[in-house]
Amino acid sequence: GEEVAQTPKHLVRGEGQKAKLYCAPIKGHSYVFWYQQVLKNEFKFLISFQNENVFDETGMPKERFSAKCLPNSPCSLEIQATKLEDSAVYFCASSQSAPPDSYEQYFGPGTRLTVT
Amino acid sequence: QKEVEQNSGPLSVPEGAIASLNCTYSDRGSQSFFWYRQYSGKSPELIMSIYSNGDKEDGRFTAQLNKASQYVSLLIRDSQPSDSATYLCAVGANAGGTSYGKLTFGQGTILTVHP
Repeated sequence: GEEVAQTPKHLVRGEGQKAKLYCAPIKGHSYVFWYQQVLKNEFKFLISFQNENVFDETGMPKERFSAKCLPNSPCSLEIQATKLEDSAVYFCASSQSAPPDSYEQYFGPGTRLTVT
Repeated sequence: QKEVEQNSGPLSVPEGAIASLNCTYSDRGSQSFFWYRQYSGKSPELIMSIYSNGDKEDGRFTAQLNKASQYVSLLIRDSQPSDSATYLCAVGANAGGTSYGKLTFGQGTILTVHP
């Protein structure tokens, strides 16, 4: 598609439950990035993919977070055993290319995760 | 020191005025710079990208980059009430390639354009 699609729009989980978020990048974009936005404007990078391969996972809290991008499927971000501090808006972005080429990232509408 | 810092807001300008938004960054090797606009409850929308020193103009928007001073700015001419939003400065890719494309965002500047 012409836009990054994310589902669901809202997700509510009790503490300790699993949460799974989905992202479909813009058609033709090879790179997918996940960001977490907490406290209004504080963005934290989580992980990126080049097609189905992990490109950079330096931001991922690996003990509870995992992510995948499989061929012909939306990318997913899964949080096992959610904690209150995981409450945030999770944005997916996609880009056509990556450094050292110039690239621009386009964001999806986000998934608001509330952990109660 | 934060990696990307934006001038503290909020910034309030009258309709028709020029709004000036500023951003400094700490990684001298950074190569890519972006301005995003985010309306309340919405996702960031890319409005400008700049990669070389100097000015880049697109409609009412002008981005300015000075790598020696590690400074990037966004000017909005003829500001409209619809420009009222949070403006995010984002810095990507350093020369060593170790940032692998991820964006580092500033804390954002809230702009209000009043009629």
